[in-house]
Amino acid sequence: DAGVTQSPTHLIKTRGQQVTLRCSPKSGHDTVSWYQQALGQGPQFIFQYYEEEERQRGNFPDRFSGHQFPNYSSELNVNALLLGDSALYLCASSLVSSNQPQHFGDGTRLSIL
Amino acid sequence: DQQVKQNSPSLSVQEGRISILNCDYTNSMFDYFLWYKKYPAEGPTFLISISSIKDKNEDGRFTVFLNKSAKHLSLHIVPSQPGDSAVYFCAASAHSGTYKYIFGTGTRLKVLA
Repeated sequence: DAGVTQSPTHLIKTRGQQVTLRCSPKSGHDTVSWYQQALGQGPQFIFQYYEEEERQRGNFPDRFSGHQFPNYSSELNVNALLLGDSALYLCASSLVSSNQPQHFGDGTRLSIL
Repeated sequence: DQQVKQNSPSLSVQEGRISILNCDYTNSMFDYFLWYKKYPAEGPTFLISISSIKDKNEDGRFTVFLNKSAKHLSLHIVPSQPGDSAVYFCAASAHSGTYKYIFGTGTRLKVLA
């Protein structure tokens, strides 16, 4: 039973570029949440997708956008990258009809030069 | 505004002794609390959770205590093992955990053999 998988593992971009990160949820899960973890901080909620719609959003600018596909997988897009976007991006999946905890992937390490 | 706080960045404990990790929160709407463990280069792994209708939840060596009046929760690990050495994150959520999690900044636990 595959857990949450994220790709790529690492990514290096320069300021102003755009990036797309991908996430496949744990089998049986229908909800995907994205978090940003800066160095020395806890994960910060970016947004959550369910039924291909953004269900809830954290305090992130519109440069951060997402998408959920019919197979429940999800993408996180960040435009006009800033140095401050350097972080570990974590995807978590869950089943909306249960109160089971979110399961996290191993993340994508994004470095902005 | 840090709604979930872990005031101890690090903790060292001797193998076999008790580890106590603490967490404070400010938002009285939180009704679901979790602890995650994170090893380097891996995503957070769920450890244990507690609903606000309880004041204690136990799972093997791990026990979480919730004091709603003080808005405080703690994780007890007994006995501590070297493999428990990791960063521990406290998280809180409203709506029984179906939406976003708010994380603390983490406590690095080192269990000395």
